[in-house]
Amino acid sequence: GEDVEQSLFLSVREGDSSVINCTYTDSSSTYLYWYKQEPGAGLQLLTYIFSNMDMKQDQRLTVLLNKKDKHLSLRIADTQTGDSAIYFCAESIWGNDMRFGAGTRLTVKP
Amino acid sequence: DAGVIQSPRHEVTEMGQEVTLRCKPISGHNSLFWYRQTMMRGLELLIYFNNNVPIDDSGMPEDRFSAKMPNASFSTLKIQPSEPRDSAVYFCASSNLETDSNQPQHFGDGTRLSIL
Repeated sequence: GEDVEQSLFLSVREGDSSVINCTYTDSSSTYLYWYKQEPGAGLQLLTYIFSNMDMKQDQRLTVLLNKKDKHLSLRIADTQTGDSAIYFCAESIWGNDMRFGAGTRLTVKP
Repeated sequence: DAGVIQSPRHEVTEMGQEVTLRCKPISGHNSLFWYRQTMMRGLELLIYFNNNVPIDDSGMPEDRFSAKMPNASFSTLKIQPSEPRDSAVYFCASSNLETDSNQPQHFGDGTRLSIL
């Protein structure tokens, strides 16, 4: 089956940039998403990108998509302690068929 | 705007008991999804509905699990009888696949279920 893979852990210092990477296998993916999960909460949609885009920027967040390599990344500029959470990459073709990665736990050290 | 609302937030019960989880999707959304999250298996899609009709229930683990959506604003996930291995966080999500071309799913805060 199709897989979405992410590294499990990332640790950065406050003020640095964080880059969370994701790879997927389904070349038919049309939508790619980043969700954030804080302790005890649900998944919060951070941003998404359509597969015909290479980049999307939203304030401190930058999403880069390399469709050829099936690689998606999320860059958080000026990372703050409040950014500590689990970040999930997800992809879908139709929207009702989302496949999630295992999540990357981001720890921001003061 | 109200998001996806799930109840209860926490449920602790003894094995063998019936458990009912509830979800109210975002008003106007026509698709509803039930997920289960565990440390071992991550996030798993159990079932999803489109316009109140179950479309894909291939993720439902066993016959002990059932889900209903009697109307556009309410869904239940029932486990009967419950077992300790059902302990997990259960999420409900909704989306609008007809008018929202970006099609993101919006998640509730989940129900943390513990079966003793």
